[in-house]
Amino acid sequence: GQQVMQIPQYQHVQEGEDFTTYCNSSTTLSNIQWYKQRPGGHPVFLIQLVKSGEVKKQKRLTFQFGEAKKNSSLHITATQTTDVGTYFCAASTSGTYKYIFGTGTRLKVLA
Amino acid sequence: DSGVTQTPKHLITATGQRVTLRCSPRSGDLSVYWYQQSLDQGLQFLIQYYNGEERAKGNILERFSAQQFPDLHSELNLSSLELGDSALYFCASSVGGLGYGYTFGSGTRLTVV
Repeated sequence: GQQVMQIPQYQHVQEGEDFTTYCNSSTTLSNIQWYKQRPGGHPVFLIQLVKSGEVKKQKRLTFQFGEAKKNSSLHITATQTTDVGTYFCAASTSGTYKYIFGTGTRLKVLA
Repeated sequence: DSGVTQTPKHLITATGQRVTLRCSPRSGDLSVYWYQQSLDQGLQFLIQYYNGEERAKGNILERFSAQQFPDLHSELNLSSLELGDSALYFCASSVGGLGYGYTFGSGTRLTVV
């Protein structure tokens, strides 16, 4: 079945450093979403990417969809302690009605 | 408050028992999704309903079943519980289709002892 891998699994950064998580699929995706789950919380929708090569920004967060629509990345500039949590990508392929969530990247920010 | 309501928040039960988890979707959302999250694990898709009908199935065990009622709330039934079923069960809802983000509830933490 479809698998979505995220790397790295864990990342510890000093506050102010940048952070990037990557999402990779073996199959071509129709679209991809990103979610953030704070410790003890539930996933919260961040953004959706649909077009090949698409780049979207939300303040310090930059999301990118690969040209081949098989990978995506989330980059955070100048991390803050409020960025702590697990970031999940969720991918769908054409002809399906569901999103498969990636394995997640747990981010810790050291003050 | 995300608008998706899950009850109960916590559940402790013995092996072999049966439990029902309930989810009320956000107002206006027709799709309901169930996910299982084990300790420090990712989100495993279980099943999706759209307007009362099953639309997609993931790696849901035969001991598990779900349904969506006419008022759009959904229930996930877990039977013959095993220790390994202990997990956080999330319900999410969306308007429908793949063009919309999911809104997750706070989850039900199930502990099987």
